[in-house]
Amino acid sequence: GENVEQHPSTLSVQEGDSAVIKCTYSDSASNYFPWYKQELGKGPQLIIDIRSNVGEKKDQRIAVTLNKTAKHFSLHITETQPEDSAVYFCAASIRGTGNQFYFGTGTSLTVIP
Amino acid sequence: GAVVSQHPSWVICKSGTSVKIECRSLDFQATTMFWYRQFPKQSLMLMATSNEGSKATYEQGVEKDKFLINHASLTLSTLTVTSAHPEDSSFYICSPTSRSGLYEQYFGPGTRLTVT
Repeated sequence: GENVEQHPSTLSVQEGDSAVIKCTYSDSASNYFPWYKQELGKGPQLIIDIRSNVGEKKDQRIAVTLNKTAKHFSLHITETQPEDSAVYFCAASIRGTGNQFYFGTGTSLTVIP
Repeated sequence: GAVVSQHPSWVICKSGTSVKIECRSLDFQATTMFWYRQFPKQSLMLMATSNEGSKATYEQGVEKDKFLINHASLTLSTLTVTSAHPEDSSFYICSPTSRSGLYEQYFGPGTRLTVT
């Protein structure tokens, strides 16, 4: 089955700096890669996603890049703000509704004011 | 994004009792429901997958007789933790998805279960 690894497990940045979280996956059939933000005591929220036919996607301060050949994808947050502090999870899935999502182990991001 | 609700948001129960958690997809038909468990500072662990009207498929190591899943309608699924023990204390999260072609998977707000 799919194996998703995520690094780093914790990340601290100064407010205004950029944060980068990286994930690798093992199954070349995976073609959908979402990123979730989870605040304490809440369920994960989808913040951005990318499909395998796209190399990069951007939404305001958040961007995701995908390298299918190397089987890795990354989340980039620019101009970080204290409210970006949360746990971020990457995931991989094979296209087709009802298919299981495989999650990374999470990155705890702290943005220091 | 999709609207998913869970009830209750938190529950405390005594060891040996049963607890039912409800998950509702409010604005789309959930043909498939995933139930996850999350321990503190850990990732989401898939417990089971259920398709509407069918029996749930449980992940290895998850007791199907302990975690009863009912997915009788396209908008409601329930997870019942039977004879709960302190080690069942966790954050339970549902995630409905649809066969309509959507890639996205949305999550409920979670239910914090504490077994004393």
